[in-house]
Amino acid sequence: DGGITQSPKYLFRKEGQNVTLSCEQNLNHDAMYWYRQDPGQGLRLIYYSQIVNDFQKGDIAEGYSVSREKKESFPLTVTSAQKNPTAFYLCASSEQGNNYGYTFGSGTRLTVV
Amino acid sequence: GNSVTQMEGPVTLSEEAFLTINCTYTATGYPSLFWYVQYPGEGLQLLLKATKADDKGSNKGFEATYRKETTSFHLEKGSVQVSDSAVYFCALSLANTGKLIFGQGTTLQVKP
Repeated sequence: DGGITQSPKYLFRKEGQNVTLSCEQNLNHDAMYWYRQDPGQGLRLIYYSQIVNDFQKGDIAEGYSVSREKKESFPLTVTSAQKNPTAFYLCASSEQGNNYGYTFGSGTRLTVV
Repeated sequence: GNSVTQMEGPVTLSEEAFLTINCTYTATGYPSLFWYVQYPGEGLQLLLKATKADDKGSNKGFEATYRKETTSFHLEKGSVQVSDSAVYFCALSLANTGKLIFGQGTTLQVKP
């Protein structure tokens, strides 16, 4: 079955460390997205990519970085410059065009210890 | 600009009650409209969608009709169950990019 896989499900980071969250899809989707969700809050867009080797900043890109070297993969690095990284991170993918919506992964919960 | 506004929650209902969650939007062009559901600790799942005016999306007893004249896409269900307790997100898809704009989400709590 096709889908989108995020790993790990839970991640703990010490202050000052960079961590990388994995997102892999086998849906052959061109576009991929990273969102951050805080408790009781909506979704905020971090980065998105509509094609391999190209990506754009979303609304809250500071302290994060991404790469899109393969169509299937869109890893997110949370750097030490992100001052409040504890949150639930969601990855999504979609086909091009506005009728399809997104397919979401099951999320990674990052906690700073 | 493009935006989605949902009614604030939490919405608390008894089992078998009728559900309405309001969603209105502002958009240029002709967006597609979506409802997503998020169960605790999980990602979002597509619940239903409508791609043009007067279309009705439906799934698992939930329905929503794309009303261009009132720029609305309200979610309804005739009889809710405890298992429907979740956060519901309304979203629109921009015509030129396919990127989704989400509302803030509405928490539904259904009590037995």
